[in-house]
Order: sequence, then structure tokens, then C-alpha cells
Amino acid sequence: TQLLEQSPQFLSIQEGENLTVYCNSSSVFSSLQWYRQEPGEGPVLLVTVVTGGEVKKLKRLTFQFGDARKDSSLHITAAQPGDTGLYLCAGVIGTASKLTFGTGTRLQVTL
Amino acid sequence: GAGVSQSPSNKVTEKGKDVELRCDPISGHTALYWYRQSLGQGLEFLIYFQGNSAPDKSGLPSDRFSAERTGGSVSTLTIQRTQQEDSAVYLCASSYRVGLGLETQYFGPGTRLLVL
Repeated sequence: TQLLEQSPQFLSIQEGENLTVYCNSSSVFSSLQWYRQEPGEGPVLLVTVVTGGEVKKLKRLTFQFGDARKDSSLHITAAQPGDTGLYLCAGVIGTASKLTFGTGTRLQVTL
Repeated sequence: GAGVSQSPSNKVTEKGKDVELRCDPISGHTALYWYRQSLGQGLEFLIYFQGNSAPDKSGLPSDRFSAERTGGSVSTLTIQRTQQEDSAVYLCASSYRVGLGLETQYFGPGTRLLVL
């Protein structure tokens, strides 16, 4: 059973377009993280959100944690080819120390 | 400074053989995690170690999988009697400590295992 569903699975857009990736669950998470993974490398942490309704910005990336802490979104403004990669959300349930990863969204940004 | 390193980077083995995958965490990190990433299954937790505490083995898929961490540093993931469904990328991560998901996990590049 996949606890964290991401949508869309694949996204191919042109440079300059905006996009939003969604991460949804029926479980409540005490914290949620977003990672980006490039081919041949491990995931790299982008952000951690903890409070329901929290919004964090990282340059052109905006992350939001749902009020009920069951969902999150990642919005990219004016996408660039360097944004290409696999985006993964990952959450912690309760006091568990392990991360539950989402299904992933593969983003391709072309010139 | 050096990040998390894993070896080998690629491993091809025959069904039924045993394999050992190695992870060198970032120096000073007390927590170490193993994950498996395969097509169609996403990235799944296998096991984590925190200091001298008993490891959380709840993600290991079968008793063919085991892991140890020697001296609180290097870790080895062993897969016995490999099966084709074991083919995946095995990722190791370390963090300063286990902190309810607030600690940054630093991932290695992974070991790509192919079982023929």
C-alpha cells in the first residue's frame, strides 16, 4: 500500500512554464520533506515543512503543507532545464524515524 | 567534506548468489539508513541504525536481507540467495541523528544491483 501518492507521474514542459506537483495521503504526517533526484545520484533534500498550512519558498520553488498535514504541493515558477529531475515527497508518520516516500514525479524541462 | 559513499556502484550477479553492499556515512553522523529504489515501486525504507540502539529492521522484505553497522560507522547490506526481483538501486543515507524527520538525510549515489 502506497501511503503517499504523487501526481502527475510524468511532466514534460517548456522552459518558462509554471507547474505544480501534488503529494497526497490519507495519513497525517508530523513532517514532510521534498527531494530532487538526478540520474545516477541520490535524492537531495529541498525543504522540510512541519506546520499545517506552512508555506516555504526556495527561489522559484514554493512548497505548501496542507492544513490537515495530509497533503503537500510543490509549485515551480518559470521552469528551467536545470529543474529537470525526479521530485519525491517523503513524510514521517507520528514519532517514527523512517521516511515514507511518495511515488515520484519525473519532470522534464526543455528549451 | 566527503559525502556518503557506496560501493560498488554497479553489481551484476547470478540468481542464487550472495551480494554485499557497502556504505560509508558522513563522519560524525550517528544515524544510517538503507533504502531500495526500483521501477514501479518508488523508494522504500529497508532498515536504519541509530547509535548503539537496536536497528529498526521493519522494512526488510525477507530474511534473505540483513545489515550490520560496525563501530557505529560503515554499514554492509547483505542479500543472500539473490532473486531477480532484488534488482534495484540500493541507496544509503546518513544523518547527524534521528530527529523525527526534521534531520536532513544525506544520500549516497547508490549501488545498482542487477540479478540475472
